[in-house]
Amino acid sequence: EVQLLESGGGLVQPGGSLRLSCAASGFTFSSQAMTWVRQAPGKGLEWVSTIKSGAEKTYLADSVKGRFSVSRDNSKNIVYLDMNSLRADDTAMYYCAVGSDESTWGQGTLVTVSS
Amino acid sequence: DIQMTQSPSSLSASLGDRVTITCRASQGVANYLAWFQQKPGSAPKSLISATSTLQSGVPSRFSGSGSGTEFSLTISNLQTEDFATYYCQQYHSYPLTYGGGTRVDLK
Repeated sequence: EVQLLESGGGLVQPGGSLRLSCAASGFTFSSQAMTWVRQAPGKGLEWVSTIKSGAEKTYLADSVKGRFSVSRDNSKNIVYLDMNSLRADDTAMYYCAVGSDESTWGQGTLVTVSS
Repeated sequence: DIQMTQSPSSLSASLGDRVTITCRASQGVANYLAWFQQKPGSAPKSLISATSTLQSGVPSRFSGSGSGTEFSLTISNLQTEDFATYYCQQYHSYPLTYGGGTRVDLK
């Protein structure tokens, strides 16, 4: 069974940093791209980032470019989202998902940016 | 960026109804179109990828069709567990983009 478990969310002050992790199991992690998607409270889905299977290519939304970065450790089956210079409008539930078509989703980790 | 326009934004339906949700892309996305279902307090769930391929375990009352710029999700014989919000997504090119969502509730 494919499982994704996000962690690392929490309350952070504006300008602060967080590292989100997504631990994967139940599939060949090193063969799959991984995607981060966020959802602000009461809002729709917003794509954040995708990293290709071998990390040879990464993509970031314009809204986070220059502040966020994505990486992965295929030996540990983990994908990371490093978030810096956090702003109030980064407050959201952050989900990781398998592939660009997001065939399986984790349960999410909540990031709240507030003073 | 490819804009995804979903309609309607909400609809009310009865058990057993057939409902159709439409998604229009601002430019062609071939068949790189996915549909997701989300219930309150839960993560989205993938229903369909590649326009019409049902994910494992998804009931056959769900179907997807379309190509290019016009796509649709149809739920036949609406069941209680189908009341939720539905999103389309194009994964033809980056940035990946979503429709605004369609909330399906009980009439």
